[in-house]
Amino acid sequence: QQPVQSPQAVILREGEDAVINCSSSKALYSVHWYRQKHGEAPVFLMILLKGGEQKGHEKISASFNEKKQQSSLYLTASQLSYSGTYFCGTGGGADGLTFGKGTHLIIQP
Amino acid sequence: EAGVTQSPTHLIKTRGQQATLRCSPISGHTSVYWYQQALGLGLQFLLWYDEGEERNRGNFPPRFSGRQFPNYSSELNVNALELEDSALYLCASRYRGPNTEAFFGQGTRLTVV
Repeated sequence: QQPVQSPQAVILREGEDAVINCSSSKALYSVHWYRQKHGEAPVFLMILLKGGEQKGHEKISASFNEKKQQSSLYLTASQLSYSGTYFCGTGGGADGLTFGKGTHLIIQP
Repeated sequence: EAGVTQSPTHLIKTRGQQATLRCSPISGHTSVYWYQQALGLGLQFLLWYDEGEERNRGNFPPRFSGRQFPNYSSELNVNALELEDSALYLCASRYRGPNTEAFFGQGTRLTVV
């Protein structure tokens, strides 16, 4: 089952903050975050694991609430280079790695 | 280190034909995932192969199939092509396990006419 992302799209001015949310109806082993720029392949940002372990970019922060089966990605002081589509992925168990429909982020100067 | 490579980059087929897409994972990665990316639908999970076996498949009809070879490369076959199969097909590879990141190829753009 696909995780659900919100919002579907965000438009920000450079320097503003954004939060992207991801929720799942199934128990989560891990949450993955990826960013895809137009015409490019998705690129890994971060993995959050049960127990609080994280692995990924230093400049990006995220949270993982195991009980609520939710994760949030925090983008602070946004830069033009943050524009793209953000995907959260859930898996690591027997189901593999499935992604949500994505959140489109547009940063304006 | 070479990344995930997919071939061909573009593929144009006629409705009813068969398409074969190929993926070479990063050296050492045993898991290969296939995703369909159609406009507005995000990354739709198609198939997951690991150690040569199909581990899971998404909600797609049986005419979408594939296999993984002993060198962990993979092939996606789509039979009886339909117009709505037109999409970008992405392959990703990773080490098996919940705490390993996936690396994506540049994709194959399949157009069915």
